[in-house]
Amino acid sequence: GENVEQHPSTLSVQEGDSAVIKCTYSDSASNYFPWYKQELGKRPQLIIDIRSNVGEKKDQRIAVTLNKTAKHFSLHITETQPEDSAVYFCAASLPPGTNAGKSTFGDGTTLTVKP
Amino acid sequence: KAGVTQTPRYLIKTRGQQVTLSCSPISGHRSVSWYQQTPGQGLQFLFEYFSETQRNKGNFPGRFSGRQFSNSRSEMNVSTLELGDSALYLCASSFSLLSGREYNEQFFGPGTRLTVL
Repeated sequence: GENVEQHPSTLSVQEGDSAVIKCTYSDSASNYFPWYKQELGKRPQLIIDIRSNVGEKKDQRIAVTLNKTAKHFSLHITETQPEDSAVYFCAASLPPGTNAGKSTFGDGTTLTVKP
Repeated sequence: KAGVTQTPRYLIKTRGQQVTLSCSPISGHRSVSWYQQTPGQGLQFLFEYFSETQRNKGNFPGRFSGRQFSNSRSEMNVSTLELGDSALYLCASSFSLLSGREYNEQFFGPGTRLTVL
């Protein structure tokens, strides 16, 4: 089955710096890669996603890049703010049309933004 | 639109008991997935239901089961509880076309915190 590895497990940056979280996946059939932010005691919230027909997507201070050949995708947060502090999860999903529409999550990255 | 709701929010059980958790998806969403979240294991996929049928299953023992009703509400059941079943159980709903090739974003509920003593 699909396996997703996420690095680093913890990341501490100074406010205003950039943060990068990287994930690799194993199943080349995966075609959907969402990123979730989970604040302490709250539910995971989708912050950005990318599909396999796109190499990069940006939404204000957040961007995601995808390298299908290397089976690698990354989350980039620029101009970090203390409210960006949370656990971030990447995920890889197979298309539901193949009867395999489930998400495999990385183990999470705890991001701390120091003021 | 109301978000995904889960009941109960907190549950305390003892070993050997069984438990049923409920999830109500966003109106119009037909797919409900269940995940177990623990500090050491992250988010682990349990199963996905679509149109009252289990469409996908993760690597959990048969003690974990679920079902989906015609209104898309879903329940999951854990029988013969073990200490290791203590976790946050999250459900997520998505629209998910019956035969679509595109995967739709998932919206998570607040979770049910299960403690097994």
